[in-house]
Amino acid sequence: NAGVTQTPKFQVLKTGQSMTLQCAQDMNHEYMSWYRQDPGMGLRLIHYSVGAGITDQGEVPNGYNVSRSTTEDFPLRLLSAAPSQTSVYFCASSSHEPGQGYYGYTFGSGTRLTVV
Amino acid sequence: DAKTTQPPSMDCAEGRAANLPCNHSTISGNEYVYWYRQIHSQGPQYIIHGLKNNETNEMASLIITEDRKSSTLILPHATLRDTAVYYCIVRVIKAAGNKLTFGGGTRVLVKP
Repeated sequence: NAGVTQTPKFQVLKTGQSMTLQCAQDMNHEYMSWYRQDPGMGLRLIHYSVGAGITDQGEVPNGYNVSRSTTEDFPLRLLSAAPSQTSVYFCASSSHEPGQGYYGYTFGSGTRLTVV
Repeated sequence: DAKTTQPPSMDCAEGRAANLPCNHSTISGNEYVYWYRQIHSQGPQYIIHGLKNNETNEMASLIITEDRKSSTLILPHATLRDTAVYYCIVRVIKAAGNKLTFGGGTRVLVKP
């Protein structure tokens, strides 16, 4: 099925470990974003990309890196995991600006990360 | 992007219309109103968006006041599966990175 695929769905890390959260979309969307959602809170933007080779920081970028080498993939790297990064991470993609055929952002099902 | 104000929670009876208000009194002319919802533990789901005119799709209707300072999302016949947190978001056309800013939202509980 077309959509945004995130892997893994669950992950437990030890403090200081690094890992990459994977995000892939098969809708040829230009825009991709990473959000985190802490318990009982709204989503906060970490990093975003407007196309292959172009990325920028969002609201809470510290401790995370991204790259966009292809249109389809937008991995999020945790450099040195900290307990404060315990959260649910959502990847999202969108085709273009509002107008004909605009369907908003499509979100993945999330990665639930615990850092101990 | 303009700030939005939504009630933190509301209940709705199954089968009845749910009217979700959103205040965005500082909205500017080039800002759209978007609605998303998040059902427990899932990724947010796009519902509808609009600029000036009222909009309707298969999920909901969006009513925007003439001065654009507030809007209402209408779920015409709420079902138990509509229980979710609903987010009203206002952002400029061609915002950098097409990004969205989520606030606290309204937690909607549809009761049998």
